[in-house]
Amino acid sequence: SQQGEEDPQALSIQEGENATMNCSYKTSINNLQWYRQNSGRGLVHLILIRSNEREKHSGRLRVTLDTSKKSSSLLITASRAADTASYFCATDGNSGGSNYKLTFGKGTLLTVNP
Amino acid sequence: DAGITQSPRYKITETGRQVTLMCHQTWSHSYMFWYRQDLGHGLRLIYYSAAADITDKGEVPDGYVVSRSKTENFPLTLESATRSQTSVYFCASRTSYYEQYFGPGTRLTVT
Repeated sequence: SQQGEEDPQALSIQEGENATMNCSYKTSINNLQWYRQNSGRGLVHLILIRSNEREKHSGRLRVTLDTSKKSSSLLITASRAADTASYFCATDGNSGGSNYKLTFGKGTLLTVNP
Repeated sequence: DAGITQSPRYKITETGRQVTLMCHQTWSHSYMFWYRQDLGHGLRLIYYSAAADITDKGEVPDGYVVSRSKTENFPLTLESATRSQTSVYFCASRTSYYEQYFGPGTRLTVT
């Protein structure tokens, strides 16, 4: 079963614009992670935000976490054509010590047009 | 080369055949994982391992077998391949800080 669900499923923007993707999850978590996957490649870790954090930045990435709403958002500022990829949120389980397993959403396909 | 590698990258096999997908990591990470990625399902965990000789089932383990005799290797075997196992398979290992590093994937087609 999917723990995280990304929204929208697909997003198309112009270079230079900002892109926002959302993730909702169902159960308590220790942390939430975002990954990027370029077509035909493996996933690449982008950023991790812990359950006691509300916002985190890494370069052009900004992640927010609202544990009361069980949701997170990933903002990519000043997007580039090279940002074209699928983006996945992943959550761990916060029960039974299973925080080493991640459950991935189905992803948001971001297309950045030059 | 440092990192996580998978072999083969592409494989076509027939229904009923046994297939083994290899995964090798050079970081000595304790945790390793096998996922399959299918359209409409995202990534689903097949098996994972917390250390050599310690493995456990994930979300979709049926039809798969794993072993881990050495920390760096985590092979996945399809004992009798079925068409429903046509997928892209990813191996990953985990750091102490929770992020996972993924291999390049194996695209498996079962005819």
